[in-house]
Amino acid sequence: GDSVTQTEGLVTLTEGLPVMLNCTYQSTYSPFLFWYVQHLNEAPKLLLKSFTDNKRPEHQGFHATLHKSSSSFHLQKSSAQLSDSALYYCALDPNTNKVVFGTGTRLQVLP
Amino acid sequence: DMKVTQMPRYLIKRMGENVLLECGQDMSHETMYWYRQDPGLGLQLIYISYDVDSNSEGDIPKGYRVSRKKREHFSLILDSAKTNQTSVYFCASSLVGNSDYTFGSGTRLLVI
Repeated sequence: GDSVTQTEGLVTLTEGLPVMLNCTYQSTYSPFLFWYVQHLNEAPKLLLKSFTDNKRPEHQGFHATLHKSSSSFHLQKSSAQLSDSALYYCALDPNTNKVVFGTGTRLQVLP
Repeated sequence: DMKVTQMPRYLIKRMGENVLLECGQDMSHETMYWYRQDPGLGLQLIYISYDVDSNSEGDIPKGYRVSRKKREHFSLILDSAKTNQTSVYFCASSLVGNSDYTFGSGTRLLVI
């Protein structure tokens, strides 16, 4: 079946350092991949969505590249900010309109 | 402002009581969802509704049922709540064929 794996439950780093949150997936189809971000006591919000034409999506300084060969969609940012502290979900849509979410990675950015 | 609204935000119920969680959206989205969020488990799909009276089980439907009588409104019902249903429940909506979800702010349910 379709699944998303986020191996890191918690990532802690210092403000200004680069961010990379890992995401790998399994799917029978060529799915769309997503990153959702959830700040404390707020709703999850769409951060990024993969494109069909291999363009790299970017938003708020974050970007992710879909690598079909390795089934990965890692989230990256060159310099972490305190406001980036949140719960990040990687997710996929296997073209069924039923998104499958990973278990989430909590990013904690320290001053 | 387009949004998904969940009521109530916080709820405490005793084991065995019935629970009604309500969700509304003002975007005329056809598809609506109920998820529960638990630490280490992420977001798990309980039910999906494709339109009025067109509902389908998600991955963890046991102990839950839903009702959708109007496109803009989707309810989650727990008949005889159990302590293991303590969780944060999120409602979401999307256009048909579109997996860009809009989530509500969640209902934090405690069953004691």
